[in-house]
Amino acid sequence: AQTVTQSQPEMSVQEAETVTLSCTYDTSESNYYLFWYKQPPSRQMILVIRQEAYKQQNATENRFSVNFQKAAKSFSLKISDSQLGDTAMYFCAFKNAGNMLTFGGGTRLMVKP
Amino acid sequence: EAQVTQNPRYLITVTGKKLTVTCSQNMNHEYMSWYRQDPGLGLRQIYYSMNVEVTDKGDVPEGYKVSRKEKRNFPLILESPSPNQTSLYFCASRGGAGWRLNEQFFGPGTRLTVL
Repeated sequence: AQTVTQSQPEMSVQEAETVTLSCTYDTSESNYYLFWYKQPPSRQMILVIRQEAYKQQNATENRFSVNFQKAAKSFSLKISDSQLGDTAMYFCAFKNAGNMLTFGGGTRLMVKP
Repeated sequence: EAQVTQNPRYLITVTGKKLTVTCSQNMNHEYMSWYRQDPGLGLRQIYYSMNVEVTDKGDVPEGYKVSRKEKRNFPLILESPSPNQTSLYFCASRGGAGWRLNEQFFGPGTRLTVL
C-alpha cells in the first residue's frame, strides 16, 4: 500500500514571500501521478497542480511549482509571491495506475499580511 | 456547469438512525468515490465505483454501504451510524480520456455529526 507523508502540520509565511511545503511518499510502482490539492475555509477541494511520474520536468502553474525528486520519492510544492488567498489546508496526494488515491495528512498554511 | 453535488451539506443525527448522503455528477464520469476527512489523517477512501453496478472497498469501508444503480449517482449509506463516523465526507468523480482520466472532481463536502 502507498503512504503519503506531510511532515509539516502547520506553516506560516509573510505575504509576497515564498514558501515550500514538503511531501514524501512510499511506493513500489513506477507509473503513478502526484497532486497537490488546496482546501480553503470553504472546504472545497481544489486541484492546484499535478505531476506524472514519468515526466522529469517539474510541473508549474503560475505561482505554484513542484520539485519532483523521483528517486527520493519527494514531491514538494513551492508557492511564490504568497497571497492572503493562499491561506488554506494543502494536501499532497498519490494515485497509482489503478483506482486508489492516497492523501497525506495535510499542511495548514497561513499567509500573514 | 460541470460539477459534483452532495446533499445534505450538514447533518446532525443520533446513533443508530439510518441515513443516506447523496452524490451526483453531471460529467458522465465512470469512476466515483467517497472519502472521509479527519484531522491529521487527510482524506481516506471509503468506497469507489468503476461503473454502474461495480463497487469496491477503499481503505475504511466498515460501517458504510454504497450503491451505483445509475452512472450519475453514488449514494453513501450509513445503516447504523456511530459517533466515530462523525466526519467531513467528500464525493468525487473522474473520467474522460488521457490525463483527464486521473483528475478527481470533488463535491462540496458533507459535515456529519453523530451524537
